[in-house]
Amino acid sequence: SAVISQKPSRDICQRGTSLTIQCQVDSQVTMMFWYRQQPGQSLTLIATANQGSEATYESGFVIDKFPISRPNLTFSTLTVSNMSPEDSSIYLCSVEDLGVAQYFGPGTRLLVL
Amino acid sequence: GENVEQHPSTLSVQEGDSAVIKCTYSDSASNYFPWYKQELGKGPQLIIDIRSNVGEKKDQRIAVTLNKTAKHFSLHITETQPEDSAVYFCAASIEVPGANNLFFGTGTRLTVIP
Repeated sequence: SAVISQKPSRDICQRGTSLTIQCQVDSQVTMMFWYRQQPGQSLTLIATANQGSEATYESGFVIDKFPISRPNLTFSTLTVSNMSPEDSSIYLCSVEDLGVAQYFGPGTRLLVL
Repeated sequence: GENVEQHPSTLSVQEGDSAVIKCTYSDSASNYFPWYKQELGKGPQLIIDIRSNVGEKKDQRIAVTLNKTAKHFSLHITETQPEDSAVYFCAASIEVPGANNLFFGTGTRLTVIP
């Protein structure tokens, strides 16, 4: 399976600021996704990161709050904008190649004060 | 859309005993059922998956069973070890290349007592 890394691994941020999370894969993959996992909860899909076009967002998530980039088949970024304490979560990227299983990165643990 | 329910939410077993986690799904079209293990401070790790054309799959101490008629599937861990302690998530999806239809259960926190 692909090796996925995320930066930063964790961060503490002040409300009103923005944080950009990077996801790097060691091989080209067709699909990349971003999830949020609130404390003690399951995983919620934020959006599909589309290479060369705008991301596809799930209900309840908007581009102004969570802008996403995917410049190539191995890299994507998620920005959490104008943060509030409610944005404190683990943010996970995942990859899927050619309809096979989905694999997750290690996550970025975000605390907003 | 799909609804996946998972039970129990917490499970404690003695080392060496077996652990069983059960999930039900609502959409009879779902045909792919992965299980993930999430250790503290880490991302979910795919440990086993099953497709709807088989009823059971084993990988060493881990097995998954699927009952399509009843729309439920289960994870079985035998001879549990302390390193099995983690949160386990089931998921269900209709496999469509290029689309993400993965719906997760709410998770089971497994504790293996040495």
